[in-house]
Amino acid sequence: EVQLVESGGGLVQPGGSLRLSCAASGFTFSSYAMSWVRQAPGKGLEWVSAISGSGGSTYYADSVKGRFTISRDNSKNTLYLQMNSLRAEDTAVYYCAKDEVVVVAATPGRYFDYWGQGTLVTVSS
Amino acid sequence: DIQMTQSPSSLSASVGDRVTITCRASQGISNSLAWYQQKPGKAPKLLLYAASRLESGVPSRFSGSGSGTDYTLTISSLQPEDFATYYCQQYYSTPFGGGTKVEIK
Repeated sequence: EVQLVESGGGLVQPGGSLRLSCAASGFTFSSYAMSWVRQAPGKGLEWVSAISGSGGSTYYADSVKGRFTISRDNSKNTLYLQMNSLRAEDTAVYYCAKDEVVVVAATPGRYFDYWGQGTLVTVSS
Repeated sequence: DIQMTQSPSSLSASVGDRVTITCRASQGISNSLAWYQQKPGKAPKLLLYAASRLESGVPSRFSGSGSGTDYTLTISSLQPEDFATYYCQQYYSTPFGGGTKVEIK
């Protein structure tokens, strides 16, 4: 059974930093790309970042580029999101998700077949 | 980036009703579309991918169709457990639609 368990959320002041973790089990972690998706209170879903199975390729939404860093430790089956220079608008539940990467007409894309339960990040003074 | 417009943003329906939700992409996406269900306080759950392929374990009352820029999610006979918010998502640059909240009439 695939399980994704996030941790590391909490209250942080604007300009501060936080590192989220996602512990994965039930599948061959290193074989799959992974993503972080967030949801602000009462709002819709926003993809944040993705990383390839090897960790060699990373992708970011424009809203977090230069502030957030995605990484993974395949020996520990764990995904991370380092969040720096946090802003009030980063307040959200952060979900990790297992990617299904699909190539259509030579163009790669992704959807998300498993999700963690989420961890809440609150940026406030 | 490809933008997704989902409609309606909310709807009220009764148990047993047929419900249709629409998602329109700003350009053709070649059936590269997924649908998710989210209940309050829970993570999203994948329902369909490739526009019309049902994820394992998802009831057959859920179906998807469409092509080019226009796609639909249909619930053939709404059940009490189907009251939730539904999101579409295109595979490229991964933006989600704005969501459709299905409420009890």
